[in-house]
Amino acid sequence: GAGVSQSPSNKVTEKGKDVELRCDPISGHTALYWYRQSLGQGLEFLIYFQGNSAPDKSGLPSDRFSAERTGGSVSTLTIQRTQQEDSAVYLCASSLGGLVYEQYFGPGTRLTVT
Amino acid sequence: DAKTTQPTSMDCAEGRAANLPCNHSTISGNEYVYWYRQIHSQGPQYIIHGLKNNETNEMASLIITEDRKSSTLILPHATLRDTAVYYCIVMIPYNNNDMRFGAGTRLTVKP
Repeated sequence: GAGVSQSPSNKVTEKGKDVELRCDPISGHTALYWYRQSLGQGLEFLIYFQGNSAPDKSGLPSDRFSAERTGGSVSTLTIQRTQQEDSAVYLCASSLGGLVYEQYFGPGTRLTVT
Repeated sequence: DAKTTQPTSMDCAEGRAANLPCNHSTISGNEYVYWYRQIHSQGPQYIIHGLKNNETNEMASLIITEDRKSSTLILPHATLRDTAVYYCIVMIPYNNNDMRFGAGTRLTVKP
């Protein structure tokens, strides 16, 4: 079946502009995660949605970052007033539930802020 | 199927070292070993990663066997707050095709 998809695959934007990154999870997966991976770093957790519960936003690096998940499916990560340090690969993952379920990752969006 | 195998659960006494094993016998030469943990209702937290040398940071140590087919995460002085599910994954950084977390090890630190 279809895996996790993300769009766009690559995004180049100018400093100060807003960007929106999209994630389509695997159908039926109730949990959705956003991560980012900067050059030389491990995966950095950003935000976690589980069903209809309030998301865990503890990983968002600043108030310029926000995410929503509509109808328990598609999610959008928005970065306002982008900065060069926002350049990274942004990964989305989904799983059947929360703990102990495998997370299936999408291919990521490579964001470059110039 | 995940590229790693881990025990389903482990217990550790508070204050003692917790040693969490992971087998990754099919690891390729350019894949790194990463460890994450997930505390109930929170997202995964990065712990440590390595390629072939042992690594240490403020959270843990990572011991990788010479043949790289297995590794051990060591929490030197486990606390109750270390109770979590610990995930070992192998991946090529920035090449995330088919990357998945396995089921992980549920570590329970007991007083």
